[in-house]
Amino acid sequence: IAGITQAPTSQILAAGRRMTLRCTQDMRHNAMYWYRQDLGLGLRLIHYSNTAGTTGKGEVPDGYSVSRANTDDFPLTLASAVPSQTSVYFCASSWDRDTGELFFGEGSRLTVL
Amino acid sequence: GQNIDQPTEMTATEGAIVQINCTYQTSGFNGLFWYQQHAGEAPTFLSYNVLDGLEEKGRFSSFLSRSKGYSYLLLKELQMKDSASYLCAVVDSNYQLIWGAGTKLIIKP
Repeated sequence: IAGITQAPTSQILAAGRRMTLRCTQDMRHNAMYWYRQDLGLGLRLIHYSNTAGTTGKGEVPDGYSVSRANTDDFPLTLASAVPSQTSVYFCASSWDRDTGELFFGEGSRLTVL
Repeated sequence: GQNIDQPTEMTATEGAIVQINCTYQTSGFNGLFWYQQHAGEAPTFLSYNVLDGLEEKGRFSSFLSRSKGYSYLLLKELQMKDSASYLCAVVDSNYQLIWGAGTKLIIKP
């Protein structure tokens, strides 16, 4: 089934640990995104990628890094997790950055203690 | 700053009609999206408006007035499965998506 797959779906992590959230899409979309969603706030963009090999910073990039080695994969890394990074993380993709509908993964619920 | 305003929560009755409003103040405008998000799930696309007027899609319609910085999502013949959060998002002049915090819609029998 075509779509976006995120892993893990849920994780509890000790502060200071390194964590990578994985995201894979099989729709051959050019653009990919990482958002975090916190209660009472809108989705906030962490990082994005317009196409394989390029990445950019979103609204809340500090403490996070991404890479886009190929079209399908867009992992998000927390180098040293802090409690304020407790959130639900959504990966999304679209045909192009400037256009159209976003397709979202099912989300990764991360708790940093 | 850029701002999207939506009511935090609304309640409606099964079979009725509900209108969810969204007002925005953004640097430029290149379209407005509505997404539906059931609790614990991912957002899914409902509608896209870039020109003024009403777009109808089955039980759901979305309206846009660019001059007023205003949109609404109209849901008719409400069903229990329509209980969800509805997210408004505006594409600004830099083609960045600005998201509202969402409106939680509670449907009562």
